[in-house]
Amino acid sequence: AQSVAQPEDQVNVAEGNPLTVKCTYSVSGNPYLFWYVQYPNRGLQFLLKYITGDNLVKGSYGFEAEFNKSQTSFHLKKPSALVSDSALYFCAVSADQTGANNLFFGTGTRLTVIP
Amino acid sequence: GAVVSQHPSRVICKSGTSVKIECRSLDFQATTMFWYRQFPKQSLMLMATSNEGSKATYEQGVEKDKFLINHASLTLSTLTVTSAHPEDSSFYICSARWAGEQFFGPGTRLTVL
Repeated sequence: AQSVAQPEDQVNVAEGNPLTVKCTYSVSGNPYLFWYVQYPNRGLQFLLKYITGDNLVKGSYGFEAEFNKSQTSFHLKKPSALVSDSALYFCAVSADQTGANNLFFGTGTRLTVIP
Repeated sequence: GAVVSQHPSRVICKSGTSVKIECRSLDFQATTMFWYRQFPKQSLMLMATSNEGSKATYEQGVEKDKFLINHASLTLSTLTVTSAHPEDSSFYICSARWAGEQFFGPGTRLTVL
């Protein structure tokens, strides 16, 4: 069985401050982990994924995520938040490295960056 | 590129009526599309996989006779919620597979009164 959990419904951060959106996972095999972002009235957009290799994965718009096997976490981070980063963020896990098939999503975390 | 649209974005209907939601890939062809549903405070859950020219594959617990899926062309899949009830009120999202990735539509908010 595969699942992810996003413990925070809402995260608020001041513009210019670092941001973290949390995600923990539970998988029976190799973890293939993804982050997606949804802006208002738009579809979910792929940000980054972890397949194997370096624990720090860099993605779009300056975001990165750190894979931590011992803590079964895959938190999304950005060193300096922008107001335009305000959106809904989804963590997901898949049995497929590409994410082209079944994705198991978390409940989503709404990020608000305060000017 | 790789844009997916959904129509309508929001629909309100009376209990017992049927509602059709369209998912279109605008600039690519998709032999496989996916339908997801998200209830408030819950995860986005896969309902079914829609394959062009063949029957959809439904996830466990999803009633295929209630959620009719038609993928008649390489750019269009439709989800029809038949005899909708208030418990079907949810956010429905489709995605289309292309070049080894899923590309998502903006979602349809269904409210059944």
